[in-house]
Amino acid sequence: QQPVQSPQAVILREGEDAVINCSSSKALYSVHWYRQKHGEAPVFLMILLKGGEQKGHDKISASFNEKKQQSSLYLTASQLSYSGTYFCGTALYSGAGSYQLTFGKGTKLSVIP
Amino acid sequence: NAGVTQTPKFRVLKTGQSMTLLCAQDMNHEYMYWYRQDPGMGLRLIHYSVGEGTTAKGEVPDGYNVSRLKKQNFLLGLESAAPSQTSVYFCASELRGLAGGNEQFFGPGTRLTVL
Repeated sequence: QQPVQSPQAVILREGEDAVINCSSSKALYSVHWYRQKHGEAPVFLMILLKGGEQKGHDKISASFNEKKQQSSLYLTASQLSYSGTYFCGTALYSGAGSYQLTFGKGTKLSVIP
Repeated sequence: NAGVTQTPKFRVLKTGQSMTLLCAQDMNHEYMYWYRQDPGMGLRLIHYSVGEGTTAKGEVPDGYNVSRLKKQNFLLGLESAAPSQTSVYFCASELRGLAGGNEQFFGPGTRLTVL
């Protein structure tokens, strides 16, 4: 089941902060965050695992509330290069030791000078 | 290392034609995936493979077939293309699917138009 992202779009001025939220109705093993610029492939940002472990970039932070099955991505002091569409992916166990990653519809972030 | 590559980058088909999209990775990854991306829909999983010789259905498998004869290659086939299959197709690979704890590396995408 596809996770729900909010907001759908946001416009920021350079230096402003933003929060992108991702929620699921199912119990999650992990939450992934990716950024995609127009016409390019998605690029990995961060993974948040059950139990609190995180893997990702130093300049981007995120949280994972396992009880609520929610994750938030925090973008601070935004730069023009932060512009793009942000996708969260929620990992659900699909049996036989494997999982499936289901992506949300994305949040389009535009940073203007 | 080239990472994940996809062939072709663009393709136009007529309804009913068939084609195969090739994905190759040189990172010795176990897991490989095929996604389609449509405007406003995000990425949807078509099929995936957890190792050489194995494949499994994802969220939207109808109208597609896949094969993974070699570890480094993952092929996506359209037997009889339909306009609804007009989309951008992304291949991705992952070292191994440890409960969703590894990043996926995406290829550059194939833009397919079915007339």
